[in-house]
Amino acid sequence: ETGVTQSPTHLIKTRGQQVTLRCSSQSGHNTVSWYQQALGQGPQFIFQYYREEENGRGNFPPRFSGLQFPNYSSELNVNALELDDSALYLCASSLVRQGEAFFGQGTRLTVV
Amino acid sequence: EDKVVQSPLSLVVHEGDTVTLNCSYEVTNFRSLLWYKQEKKAPTFLFMLTSSGIEKKSGRLSSILDKKELFSILNITATQTGDSAIYLCAVERDTDKLIFGTGTRLQVFP
Repeated sequence: ETGVTQSPTHLIKTRGQQVTLRCSSQSGHNTVSWYQQALGQGPQFIFQYYREEENGRGNFPPRFSGLQFPNYSSELNVNALELDDSALYLCASSLVRQGEAFFGQGTRLTVV
Repeated sequence: EDKVVQSPLSLVVHEGDTVTLNCSYEVTNFRSLLWYKQEKKAPTFLFMLTSSGIEKKSGRLSSILDKKELFSILNITATQTGDSAIYLCAVERDTDKLIFGTGTRLQVFP
């Protein structure tokens, strides 16, 4: 157990809908990163939050957005869901510039 | 463009065998290389490597980094069925972003 918790564990949405995924970071960690892992692929970096500000973004469209709260927990929001958004969404917490990131169990999102 | 390439993509072995997993990278502003084991969902941390030539060991697993040739290997000796998993290699850039390879799927049969 890493101490990083994500909710929900599974989710089914319809194309065009919006979804919010949540992550509670490990105690003491101030940085949260989100990754998308499609079937058979490695995780792809979506964005990272540090001190409630976005601290880097991967090649994802603006309909992927996020928040970090004062307690370092975080949300990932995806608007206008597309079928290709179906994936495992992983949250990782770490200390900034410390490298070692600890992952939650992930949220399996299915868009139909 | 930054990239991390793992090989082989898939490996099937019998218990007791020794395996070597490879990871090569081309990443600007390299900071560290990390290995993770992914069994069902959450990747679990194995090693973080920052210096060339220094082997890190944990039980039957070991790993080493070559920053001149831009690669790392993960060795697993005396494999067990519990080692069956996807092994992910990731490179950390100076921006704290992890760039992952596609992983090596290891299956260990009794």
